[in-house]
Amino acid sequence: EIVLTQSPGTLSLSPGERATLSCRASHSVNNKYLAWYQQKPGQAPRLLMYGASTRATGIPDRFSGSGSGTDFTLTISRLEPEDFAVYYCQQYGPSPKTFGQGTKVEIK
Amino acid sequence: QVQLQQWGAGLLKPSETLSLTCAVYGGSFSNYYWTWIRQSPGKGLEWIAEINDRGSTNYNPSLKSRISTSVDTSKNQFSLKLTSVTAADTAIYYCARVAEERASGNYLPYWGQGTLVTVSS
Repeated sequence: EIVLTQSPGTLSLSPGERATLSCRASHSVNNKYLAWYQQKPGQAPRLLMYGASTRATGIPDRFSGSGSGTDFTLTISRLEPEDFAVYYCQQYGPSPKTFGQGTKVEIK
Repeated sequence: QVQLQQWGAGLLKPSETLSLTCAVYGGSFSNYYWTWIRQSPGKGLEWIAEINDRGSTNYNPSLKSRISTSVDTSKNQFSLKLTSVTAADTAIYYCARVAEERASGNYLPYWGQGTLVTVSS
């Protein structure tokens, strides 16, 4: 099973600042089968990114993803008020598919 | 526009069987894998199982002995059963659909609203 470790656990930032979220895998994630989701309280996760760096439909370009192998990053270039949420990475390569434990981006 | 609507019993006693159903509206039911995921405070998001319209399944090994899934193509619905539940199975359960046709275990753009299942005596 591939274990995904996200850091930091909580990121305290102000609107307009840049957010950098990390997702590290215990084994290489082949073919960049890595997705990012955003979750707000009381809602299901929302797909942001797949293939490590491809934005899902309707996702603004302030969100970008990068990485390969075992190290992946989600960057939000300038935080908008609606971006404060919890972010999860997921690998959809070998079964079982696994998620990271999440990074909470909170308002400073 | 693909929409998933799910339902099932929200309160169970230990040793009972969890049963959830998810209905699919919009889009095709055929050729996709239909997925169950749960979210608990202790274990975060956990991928449980997937099934396609032909009944081909993949299960999380940690739950495999207690899981069964099924599809009803006439109603565009799929279901999850989890037997012998304990407090550790308390979670929000989500149904979801993969992005690409015939792609087992793909990323998940479509989610149900979630069902809180509490296991308590």
